[in-house]
Amino acid sequence: GAVVSQHPSWVICKSGTSVKIECRSLDFQATTMFWYRQFPKQSLMLMATSNEGSKATYEQGVEKDKFLINHASLTLSTLTVTSAHPEDSSFYICSARPGPDTGELFFGEGSRLTVL
Amino acid sequence: AQSVSQHNHHVILSEAASLELGCNYSYGGTVNLFWYVQYPGQHLQLLLKYFSGDPLVKGIKGFEAEFIKSKFSFNLRKPSVQWSDTAEYFCAVKNSGTYKYIFGTGTRLKVLA
Repeated sequence: GAVVSQHPSWVICKSGTSVKIECRSLDFQATTMFWYRQFPKQSLMLMATSNEGSKATYEQGVEKDKFLINHASLTLSTLTVTSAHPEDSSFYICSARPGPDTGELFFGEGSRLTVL
Repeated sequence: AQSVSQHNHHVILSEAASLELGCNYSYGGTVNLFWYVQYPGQHLQLLLKYFSGDPLVKGIKGFEAEFIKSKFSFNLRKPSVQWSDTAEYFCAVKNSGTYKYIFGTGTRLKVLA
């Protein structure tokens, strides 16, 4: 199957700093990428839908100024957590949809963010 | 609002036992249904999906799922589990024609050798 890679896999930062997480589709072009957040023992919660070359669409309750999403190319989307706080500590997962719709999403390995 | 409910949060089975994991969703329109698996330390991977046609869907590694429209259910089954099936299983639903997936809370399966 198609490969989606996230970087970094884990990151620890101080409160107030910003952290950038990258999501790359390695062997296909992804017109749409999705960012999820997973809390312990809970489901993946969709944060935003990222379309190449346009502004991301955020889910209700997700602060767009806190979680900046950029999808500048067909193979790269980035999530920047700005002015991070301990409550932003979580597991962030991206997924990508290949061009023709097979209905399948391909997931990255996730990035664990810990804010001290 | 759309939601997906997985009733079993933790399941422990012995090898060769049969498995059934429940998944119910709430949505009245046309949906596409998925089961994803996440093995320890690995990405989420697609096990199987239902878009239309035969409501009994066969996936990889001997898994199958049955879509029962009247019950809004898409339960995952495997006749005989193996130790290597130890993983977390997620049911997901999306509206046909959209790409917005709604995931269930997941079921952690542990298979004892």
